[in-house]
Amino acid sequence: QSALTQPPSVSGSPGQSVTISCTGTSSDVGSYNRVSWYQQPPGTAPKLMIYEVSNRPSGVPDRFSGSKSGNTASLTISGLQAEDEADYYCSSYTSSSRGYVFGTGTKVTVL
Amino acid sequence: EVQLVQSGAEVKKPGESLKISCKGSGYSFTSYWIGWVRQMPGKGLEWMGIIYPGDSDTRYSPSFQGQVTISADKSISTAYLQWSSLKASDTAMYYCARLSTDRNDAFDIWGQGTMVTVSS
Repeated sequence: QSALTQPPSVSGSPGQSVTISCTGTSSDVGSYNRVSWYQQPPGTAPKLMIYEVSNRPSGVPDRFSGSKSGNTASLTISGLQAEDEADYYCSSYTSSSRGYVFGTGTKVTVL
Repeated sequence: EVQLVQSGAEVKKPGESLKISCKGSGYSFTSYWIGWVRQMPGKGLEWMGIIYPGDSDTRYSPSFQGQVTISADKSISTAYLQWSSLKASDTAMYYCARLSTDRNDAFDIWGQGTMVTVSS
């Protein structure tokens, strides 16, 4: 199974918004709302930021939002802050293996 | 507190066997799937497989089928990932994570990771 496709990097100044795309197929993102997003600062374990396409776990700032259209999911960070600098990964259930697949990862840089 | 605690870092030689562990606490261990995720140095996350400790139902990514074995001992709330013959290319950080069906299949709790180094 192939990884979901994400841009390698995005950047923005503090206070700006950035959006990360996550493109899959009709076997994963396009057919299921089991899409989640994870934040991984350097040297740490991933942390769940968004589940079920657009829901935030308690404790995650509302600056983080998710959406989906067709085979592409997106994570938007509004009001970018220095602490948001990290790698971000999407994930989806995939019917091709009855399992899961992660995205290729996107490095967010705060200028 | 809900948490997953993994075993410590390992340094092994090619051809050796290895079993690393992931102990759950603070929740009903038998009611949630546990997944394993590989992260090679400087690379992204790769889903390896999952196990349901309640009945040991296991699924593997096609990329890892036959390369590793996932198991669980529900009596001690622990999941395992094992290799019978390590290769240098198995050098990576390995994470376990709880799969939450309440949150539509998100990995909501992660272990701290186990670094495996395979070198002659």
